[in-house]
Amino acid sequence: DAKTTQPTSMDCAEGRAANLPCNHSTISGNEYVYWYRQIHSQGPQYIIHGLKNNETNEMASLIITEDRKSSTLILPHATLRDTAVYYCIVRAPPNTGTASKLTFGTGTRLQVTL
Amino acid sequence: GAVVSQHPSWVICKSGTSVKIECRSLDFQATTMFWYRQFPKQSLMLMATSNEGSKATYEQGVEKDKFLINHASLTLSTLTVTSAHPEDSSFYICSQGTGNTDTQYFGPGTRLTVL
Repeated sequence: DAKTTQPTSMDCAEGRAANLPCNHSTISGNEYVYWYRQIHSQGPQYIIHGLKNNETNEMASLIITEDRKSSTLILPHATLRDTAVYYCIVRAPPNTGTASKLTFGTGTRLQVTL
Repeated sequence: GAVVSQHPSWVICKSGTSVKIECRSLDFQATTMFWYRQFPKQSLMLMATSNEGSKATYEQGVEKDKFLINHASLTLSTLTVTSAHPEDSSFYICSQGTGNTDTQYFGPGTRLTVL
């Protein structure tokens, strides 16, 4: 799986949009970008994933650049409960017969403040 | 998303004893489950891939005789830490993939402390 690079930490004021960047310059054409977050002492929580197009769900939006070498996770209105470590992961496409394992980097520690 | 549970949520044991951790998928039948561990202030590291009805596949550096994995049914996988030592103290987390997207959903984790 391609390696990702994320800033170590970020701060965001409550109510503002949190924009978390991720670089994945060696991503292959069929690899997906997944985002998870881990609140302290809990298991990771799935947020969103995408291949080429921008994606949006009830939790967040995912913006993937046209060359797919980077992406941004957007939490439109951050709350204190969004304080967590956010992981950007690139992985092989589903159902290819290869292992669907996830390789976690160090992630971005997002601190949402009042 | 899929619901995954783990039991126990935390356990304290004496050095040399064995500890079993259960991972259950509550609303999905998972042929494959994954086991991770996470040391303090570090990221998750994959330990092994658990396949229903067959032997688990272990990552490099993970002792298969120490971390026994059983995946006897589509809803239950267990990880047994045998002869646990203080250096095995960690946060153990399981996950399973679901459906066509194969998105993985994680359990809440089990914190193991070996005295």
